[in-house]
Amino acid sequence: AQTVTQSQPEMSVQEAETVTLSCTYDTSESDYYLFWYKQPPSRQMILVIRQEAYKQQNATENRFSVNFQKAAKSFSLKISDSQLGDAAMYFCAYGDRDDKIIFGKGTRLHILP
Amino acid sequence: DVKVTQSSRYLVKRTGEKVFLECVQDMDHENMFWYRQDPGLGLRLIYFSYDVKMKEKGDIPEGYSVSREKKERFSLILESASTNQTSMYLCASSLEAGLAAYEQYFGPGTRLTVT
Repeated sequence: AQTVTQSQPEMSVQEAETVTLSCTYDTSESDYYLFWYKQPPSRQMILVIRQEAYKQQNATENRFSVNFQKAAKSFSLKISDSQLGDAAMYFCAYGDRDDKIIFGKGTRLHILP
Repeated sequence: DVKVTQSSRYLVKRTGEKVFLECVQDMDHENMFWYRQDPGLGLRLIYFSYDVKMKEKGDIPEGYSVSREKKERFSLILESASTNQTSMYLCASSLEAGLAAYEQYFGPGTRLTVT
């Protein structure tokens, strides 16, 4: 069965600095999708970034980028120039075409002013 | 913008009560999901539906049932609420064509307390 592991339950970063959130997954599939979702305090969960496994190029969305290492089954999220609004719970998630999405347990990110 | 709404933000029920959690989406999405979110456990899938009147069990369906009579509405039912069902419940929806291929849009969540 597929699994998603986020090894850092909590992290802190100084405002304007860069932080990397780790995620590893396990699958025997070759075609799948990986996601990072953000859940701000008391607000709705939203998609931050999505990566298709068949694409070698790492996905980027403004200050958010991923480091996708398919052979290592690693999918980390880098947030550059951290802002107070980045404080949230971040979930890494895996999905393949015929199955449901599996979420990691989350990493709570604190931004220090 | 896609909007997913849930009937209540906060709900307090007594043990043994029948509880209905309602979810409505306005973007004609085929797929709808119910998750349960607990600290340290992340999101766990309870049930999902890929069409009207269709439902599939997720990872933790015990103690829950669902209903999807209309495409835009997906209800989660706790037949006899128990204290271990105290949790945050999240509804989500997504487009068709491979359940996991597309972004899931989440509702604001219902924090249910069973006393």
